[in-house]
Amino acid sequence: LAKTTQPISMDSYEGQEVNITCSHNNIATNDYITWYQQFPSQGPRFIIQGYKTKVTNEVASLFIPADRKSSTLSLPRVSLSDTAVYYCLVGGRDNYGQNFVFGPGTRLSALP
Amino acid sequence: DSGVTQTPKHLITATGQRVTLRCSPRSGDLSVYWYQQSLDQGLQFLIQYYNGEERAKGNILERFSAQQFPDLHSELNLSSLELGDSALYFCASSVGSGAGTDTQYFGPGTRLTVL
Repeated sequence: LAKTTQPISMDSYEGQEVNITCSHNNIATNDYITWYQQFPSQGPRFIIQGYKTKVTNEVASLFIPADRKSSTLSLPRVSLSDTAVYYCLVGGRDNYGQNFVFGPGTRLSALP
Repeated sequence: DSGVTQTPKHLITATGQRVTLRCSPRSGDLSVYWYQQSLDQGLQFLIQYYNGEERAKGNILERFSAQQFPDLHSELNLSSLELGDSALYFCASSVGSGAGTDTQYFGPGTRLTVL
């Protein structure tokens, strides 16, 4: 089962690009990687999802190297409203069935 | 607004009691997932139901049980409550069975406080 690790916290100035990396060394062949944003006392909100290489949408990019043992969420121009906790989720089927493993979360503080 | 609804928003109860949390998935979604989020444990997957049947089981205690009804709403039952059960409980839903690109959308959560 994939175990995920993330940096506990990061700071970034407004307007800068920020990259948050998640390590998932035991990722299984069928697992996809999904990133969520969570504000205090709210449910996680979907940001982006990928399997390999690069995925981009209107708010973020996701980079996944060929070995898929890590993934990097990139927010191109941070604003104060991006201050939140960011989680990676690795989910899929393993030898024991289906499971969903969230990383510990990275608390991003956007600074003016 | 994800379209997933959870009730109640807050619940305060005593140790040893039993509570039921309710979740209504987004229209058209067949899967419902339950997660527990406590300060020291992060987001922990508890259980998933797909079209009325249990599909996956995570770190769910034996004191906890869930079901999904024919109208696809789900209930999470927590019994013999302990202080350590105090947490935010989230429900998520997805269109499919959870594999591959099936994306989970989360509700606003129920905050359970056990005194």
